[in-house]
Amino acid sequence: GENVEQHPSTLSVQEGDSAVIKCTYSDSASNYFPWYKQELGKRPQLIIDIRSNVGEKKDQRIAVTLNKTAKHFSLHITETQPEDSAVYFCAASPGFKTIFGAGTRLFVKA
Amino acid sequence: NAGVMQNPRHLVRRRGQEARLRCSPMKGHSHVYWYRQLPEEGLKFMVYLQKENIIDESGMPKERFSAEFPKEGPSILRIQQVVRGDSAAYFCASSPGQGQGNEKLFFGSGTQLSVL
Repeated sequence: GENVEQHPSTLSVQEGDSAVIKCTYSDSASNYFPWYKQELGKRPQLIIDIRSNVGEKKDQRIAVTLNKTAKHFSLHITETQPEDSAVYFCAASPGFKTIFGAGTRLFVKA
Repeated sequence: NAGVMQNPRHLVRRRGQEARLRCSPMKGHSHVYWYRQLPEEGLKFMVYLQKENIIDESGMPKERFSAEFPKEGPSILRIQQVVRGDSAAYFCASSPGQGQGNEKLFFGSGTQLSVL
C-alpha cells in the first residue's frame, strides 16, 4: 500500500521568510496530492492540491511542486506570517483512499 | 450547506465500556473515511465506507473496532471494550466519490475520546 514520508517534522522560520516542506510517496498509482493545514484543536483543512498531470500549482503565497519520476512533492510558503503557524500534512491518493504524512509543525516567529 | 458533522465532540469512557462515534457526511457525499490521530502524530487511515458497504478496512484493528454506514443515518465507528490506548482524536471525512475531482476530503471537527 501507499506510504508517505514527510520532512521536516518541525520547522521554525522568521516572519517574512519562506518555508518548504517535502514529501515522498511509494505508490506509483497515486495521482492526487493534497496538502492540509491543521491548527491546534481544529479539523484539518485543505489548502492546496495537485494532480499527477501537473508539475506545479500556485495559489497566492503557497505553491506545490510534483516530481512524478522521483515520487517527490513539496509545499512552499512565501512571505510567512504568524497565522501560518500550524501543522501541515501532505497526502497521496491513488483514488480510493488518502494516506497522510506524519505532519510538519511550522512555527513562524514574529 | 452543512459540513461534515461529528458527535459527540468529546467522549469519556471507562476501560471496558463501548464507544460510539457518529459522522454525518456533507450533503451529496457518498464516501466516508475514518482517521485516528494520536497527540503530536499524523492522521492514520482506519476505514473507507460507501453506503451499506465497507470498501477498505485495512487500517482498522481486527478486534473491538467496527464501522458501518447504513442506507439511512450517519456512519458509526464503534469501539468495544475500550482500553487506554484507544484515547485519541477520531476524525471523519467525506468526499463526493472516486475519480478526478471527487477525491477531496472534507473533515469533521473530530471526536476526542478519553478512556479513564
